[in-house]
Amino acid sequence: QLQLQESGPGLVKPSETLSLTCAVSGGSINSTSSYWGWIRQPPGKGLEWIGGLSYSGTTYSNPSLKSRVSISVDTSQNQFSLKLSSLTAADTAVYYCGRHTTTIGWSVPIDYWGQGALVTVSS
Amino acid sequence: DIQMTQSPSSLSASVGDRITITCRASQNIISYLNWYQQKPGKAPKLLIYVASSLQSGVPSRFSGSGSGTEFTLTISSLQPEDFATYYCQQTYSTPQFTFGPGTKVDIK
Repeated sequence: QLQLQESGPGLVKPSETLSLTCAVSGGSINSTSSYWGWIRQPPGKGLEWIGGLSYSGTTYSNPSLKSRVSISVDTSQNQFSLKLSSLTAADTAVYYCGRHTTTIGWSVPIDYWGQGALVTVSS
Repeated sequence: DIQMTQSPSSLSASVGDRITITCRASQNIISYLNWYQQKPGKAPKLLIYVASSLQSGVPSRFSGSGSGTEFTLTISSLQPEDFATYYCQQTYSTPQFTFGPGTKVDIK
């Protein structure tokens, strides 16, 4: 059973950079049947796809956030990470990591999610 | 960018009701469409992928249909555990896998 777990600071100051890590257990982050993604949800609002990376290391990011987003993988630790720079209060959200699967259909749905990590941007 | 809309934004229904949620894409996404259910304080859960395929373990009262720009999620007989928010997501447009704004289903 695949499990994903986000970790990172719960409170970050405006203008700083957020760093979050998603640890993957029960499966390999090198799996050719997986893409890995980050999704966020501001309090009381809907879901926003931030970006992700493929098993080959190609990264993707939401054009609205692209200049501030960096996603990387650490295969030795079986985890991937998100960095989001120039934070403002609007970046306050629950941040989820997820696994997009390529094995059940071409729509690469997110079939495994982390539990989410609340990040508050405040001075 | 592909924009996703959902209607209604919320609905009130009773246990046993049949409900339908509509998701529309601003351009043709063929069937690159997923549906998720989210309960308060929890991560979303995959219900439907490629517009109409039921995820393993999801009750058969859930079904999806549609292609192109219009899609529907139907719950044939609403159960108490189905009161939640439902999101559609398009994955046609890489690299932006847009979610719809959500439809909240609550108890009448």
